[in-house]
Amino acid sequence: DAGVIQSPRHEVTEMGQEVTLRCKPISGHDYLFWYRQTMMRGLELLIYFNNNVPIDDSGMPEDRFSAKMPNASFSTLKIQPSEPRDSAVYFCASSLDQGVKNIQYFGAGTRLSVL
Amino acid sequence: AQSVTQPDIHITVSEGASLELRCNYSYGATPYLFWYVQSPGQGLQLLLKYFSGDTLVQGIKGFEAEFKRSQSSFNLRKPSVHWSDAAEYFCAVMYSGGGADGLTFGKGTHLIIQP
Repeated sequence: DAGVIQSPRHEVTEMGQEVTLRCKPISGHDYLFWYRQTMMRGLELLIYFNNNVPIDDSGMPEDRFSAKMPNASFSTLKIQPSEPRDSAVYFCASSLDQGVKNIQYFGAGTRLSVL
Repeated sequence: AQSVTQPDIHITVSEGASLELRCNYSYGATPYLFWYVQSPGQGLQLLLKYFSGDTLVQGIKGFEAEFKRSQSSFNLRKPSVHWSDAAEYFCAVMYSGGGADGLTFGKGTHLIIQP
């Protein structure tokens, strides 16, 4: 399997623009997670899905952030409008439905820079 | 709320020397513990995990970790480090809440290997 695939790897945009990050989970995995990594706050869970349904979005920082999972093989994280403080590395991870004993597999991340 | 503390932001070790990275978690019943490694520009790779049973767990790349409930710790060790071990190391915890959930990560420890 190719693993979790994220695109783009790098994104540079200007403040106020819409940004869409993409993730393809490992085939057969029922859970998908979005994390954000910053120097100040480290790795934080933003939202996760089970069988394409959002389960917990309490980590989403504000209404400018939204995430969707239209099917089992694709998810997007959208920021509209983007702000410089959104600059971070965004990771997607997926796992099998093993209850709490799930092992999350991470993508390589998208490094977002908002100017 | 669950939390993870990695008290050492940076650690410098000579190649061939032994290594121990510290991790403490907030008290909670049946924690599931993980160590991930992140190489520069890469995603997170699982080194090892503890769910139950033997408190000394073996992982990939010659790493091991010991769960000590009395100290709420899950320290990572390696008897002899290699230059390729230079990376960022993250400890993470998940509690048995009856369903899969996101991971709570520590802030990470940056490992530097001296020749």
